[in-house]
Amino acid sequence: EAQVTQNPRYLITVTGKKLTVTCSQNMNHEYMSWYRQDPGLGLRQIYYSMNVEVTDKGDVPEGYKVSRKEKRNFPLILESPSPNQTSLYFCASSSTPGTGINQPQHFGDGTRLSIL
Amino acid sequence: AQSVAQPEDQVNVAEGNPLTVKCTYSVSGNPYLFWYVQYPNRGLQFLLKYITGDNLVKGSYGFEAEFNKSQTSFHLKKPSALVSDSALYFCAVRDYGGSQGNLIFGKGTKLSVKP
Repeated sequence: EAQVTQNPRYLITVTGKKLTVTCSQNMNHEYMSWYRQDPGLGLRQIYYSMNVEVTDKGDVPEGYKVSRKEKRNFPLILESPSPNQTSLYFCASSSTPGTGINQPQHFGDGTRLSIL
Repeated sequence: AQSVAQPEDQVNVAEGNPLTVKCTYSVSGNPYLFWYVQYPNRGLQFLLKYITGDNLVKGSYGFEAEFNKSQTSFHLKKPSALVSDSALYFCAVRDYGGSQGNLIFGKGTKLSVKP
């Protein structure tokens, strides 16, 4: 089954304690992206990756890191989490639009982070 | 700058009635438009997209959307709403300012269908 898998689904942690949210896709997609979803703000892009070893900042990258060492994995790293990073996070992937036409993004089921 | 607006935070519809969820856009190039649905505790699921061609696009679960270039709109519609259609709906547009693959999402519209 084609899917994007995020772990953990829920996490409560404390300020300053480094954490990693994993994201893995089994569709051989080149493009992957991280979003955060906050009430009234919709989805905001944190980082994205066009392919292995190619990453770039989205709209709200401060306080986050990513890496893309393998095509299937795109972990989101919070080196020193703060309460304002409490949010619902989504990973998504899609095939690269070779013709310039966007392909639908496939989303994971989300990770709810609470930073105390 | 590219943008997409969903003017209604919430839409309430009675089961069996037609529904419309509104979306307007602003882009610098050809508008590639998408609708996604989010059910509770789930990620977004793709419903339909407009790239080119027929202005009426049909998608999953009986939904369709009408592209209107003069009004820069891409409203989501369904002839007869179901209680199970209750969810959060997002409109999205290709981001010409960023890299290929990036989408700009609206803030979402909560659809509530009552029996």
